[in-house]
Amino acid sequence: EADIYQTPRYLVIGTGKKITLECSQTMGHDKMYWYQQDPGMELHLIHYSYGVNSTEKGDLSSESTVSRIRTEHFPLTLESARPSHTSQYLCASNGRDYGYTFGSGTRLTVV
Amino acid sequence: AQSVTQLGSHVSVSEGALVLLRCNYSSSVPPYLFWYVQYPNQGLQLLLKYTSAATLVKGINGFEAEFKKSETSFHLTKPSAHMSDAAEYFCAVSAGGSYIPTFGRGTSLIVHP
Repeated sequence: EADIYQTPRYLVIGTGKKITLECSQTMGHDKMYWYQQDPGMELHLIHYSYGVNSTEKGDLSSESTVSRIRTEHFPLTLESARPSHTSQYLCASNGRDYGYTFGSGTRLTVV
Repeated sequence: AQSVTQLGSHVSVSEGALVLLRCNYSSSVPPYLFWYVQYPNQGLQLLLKYTSAATLVKGINGFEAEFKKSETSFHLTKPSAHMSDAAEYFCAVSAGGSYIPTFGRGTSLIVHP
């Protein structure tokens, strides 16, 4: 049973479109994260949040933005999608435990 | 600073054989260590974690890992591979109170019948 939900699972979209990837968790975790996973499997942290109204950029430069208005919700937005944004996007969360719970991911293709 | 090295991007075993996936870490302070598994078209799932208690950690699906400080290693093992174990495996390290781990590049486990 999933405690962290990502929608959509798959998305094909045209260049220049604005998109929002949704991530919600039901565990009451204060910390949430977005990772980009390239075809070679490597994970890159692009955004994270340690609580409501708190967001930070990660290690990988990204043209996306995030918001954290509610504890359970951490959406990621691309204002203008480009083919270079084609990737798998993973959302994760944790509370006081150091281990992550991941969502199932969104596979984005920009054509 | 912390880092993780997973030796071997691909490991191939026969069904029923021992699984050994290698992970070495670097950390200037006592680390927390993790193994995650990723099945096709899924997110990562926590297999097991070391958080400074017992050095031999047992996880889900029959996997275990041993923390060896002298060797800075946290290798993942399973006595007998099953076809369903075929997946990507990631080692990760957190240190210095950071909630954000450093992930290894992953090892793809291939299980032959």
